[in-house]
Amino acid sequence: QVQLVESGGGVVQPGRSLRLSCVASGFNFSNYAMHWVRQAPGKGLEWVAVISYDGNKKYFADSVKGRLIISRDNSKNTLYLQMNSLRTEDTAVYYCASALLAVAGTYWGQGTLVTVSS
Amino acid sequence: DVVMTQSPFSLPVTLGQPASISCRSGQNLVHSDGNTYLNWFHQRPGQSPRRLIYKVSNRDSGVPDRFSGSGSGTEFTLKISRVEAEDAGTYYCMQGTHWPPYTFGQGTKLEIK
Repeated sequence: QVQLVESGGGVVQPGRSLRLSCVASGFNFSNYAMHWVRQAPGKGLEWVAVISYDGNKKYFADSVKGRLIISRDNSKNTLYLQMNSLRTEDTAVYYCASALLAVAGTYWGQGTLVTVSS
Repeated sequence: DVVMTQSPFSLPVTLGQPASISCRSGQNLVHSDGNTYLNWFHQRPGQSPRRLIYKVSNRDSGVPDRFSGSGSGTEFTLKISRVEAEDAGTYYCMQGTHWPPYTFGQGTKLEIK
């Protein structure tokens, strides 16, 4: 069955970096755009970034532009989020999700918690 | 950015009764390709979101037919014909017409009375 498994979350100080990973299985990963969506504690969903199926196109929310970088390795069925210059407001559960608009369905991981705190 | 506004914020419902959630967008969500990219998601506490409805009114695979979506332009509605216990949680609308960014509503918390 389809699985998306995130990892890499943890506690990090403001200004430091962290890299999240999302390993996909059960579907043809290289055919789908992939997203990161986050949810601050007790808050709603916020879209963070999207990368095209081939990795050539990337788009970001203004709140993370220039600090967070999305990438993928289709040979490893893995999506990444490099998080630099972290701020306390980046504290959230980060979900990876496959093509949010796909007619065939969209799949979400279980999320990984990033806590930015001194 | 397209602002998505949901109402109500909180929705107490008795089991077996209907429920309705409204979502308004700050711009017309009809895409130049003719589609309207308005999704509905459901999130139970401690779980990941699950998409229920795509392109306004199409149910995802496995979604019970008591869920229905409707609307056009800037006004959209998610209806549950008869609420069951498993329907508790938070519902979000999301637009994918004018992106980036994709934008979500602030959420509607459905609780069982």
